[in-house]
Amino acid sequence: AQKVTQAQTEISVVEKEDVTLDCVYETRDTTYYLFWYKQPPSGELVFLIRRNSFDEQNEISGRYSWNFQKSTSSFNFTITASQVVDSAVYFCALSESSNDYKLSFGAGTTVTVRA
Amino acid sequence: SAVISQKPSRDICQRGTSLTIQCQVDSQVTMMFWYRQQPGQSLTLIATANQGSEATYESGFVIDKFPISRPNLTFSTLTVSNMSPEDSSIYLCSVNLGTEAFFGQGTRLTVV
Repeated sequence: AQKVTQAQTEISVVEKEDVTLDCVYETRDTTYYLFWYKQPPSGELVFLIRRNSFDEQNEISGRYSWNFQKSTSSFNFTITASQVVDSAVYFCALSESSNDYKLSFGAGTTVTVRA
Repeated sequence: SAVISQKPSRDICQRGTSLTIQCQVDSQVTMMFWYRQQPGQSLTLIATANQGSEATYESGFVIDKFPISRPNLTFSTLTVSNMSPEDSSIYLCSVNLGTEAFFGQGTRLTVV
C-alpha cells in the first residue's frame, strides 16, 4: 500500500500566485517523521523541512509554510507568492520508527511557475 | 549534518556492462541507503547497506543485479550489473543521522 500520497501530479501557476501541495500519509507507528524535499531540474534533492509526529505546530519559513494535521494524516505545503525559481518537483516523504527510519516517498508534484 | 560525496556524478554506459557508484560520508554511520529514481518517477529504496553484514534488499531488487559493498562506516558502493536501458536512472546514496536524512548529489546513469 502506498504510504505517502501526493494527489497532484502537476501544478502550474503564474508568478506571485500561492500554491498548495497536498500530502497524505499512512502509518501505524506513533513515532514517525514527515519530510518535504525539492528537486530542481539539476536533480539534487534539497531538504526543506522535517516534522516529527509529536509536533503538530505549523511552520513558516519565508514564503514556505507547512500545515500538519494528524487527524487527517496530512502534511500540506504552501508556497506563497510563487517565483519562477520555485519551479521543481516536490516530494513528501515519511520515515517510521518501525522501518529503521527509511524514507518512503510520495510520487512527487511538479510545480511550474510561469513568469 | 552530513556531507555525502557520490562518484561519478553522471555516466553513459553500454548495455551489458557494469557501473560501480561510490558514496563517501564525512561521518561514521551505521546504515547507508541506496535509492533509484527512474525518469519522471519518485525515489525507490533499493537496499540498506550495513557495515559488517550483507545488505538488505527491498522487494524487486536482488543482489546479483545490484551488489553492494560496505567496507567501513563511511563508505559504500553500489554496482549496477549487466545494464540495460531500463537501468537508466538517478541513483542516490543517503544516510540518517538520528532521524534526519541526508542525500548525495546523485549519479545520473544513461544506458545506451
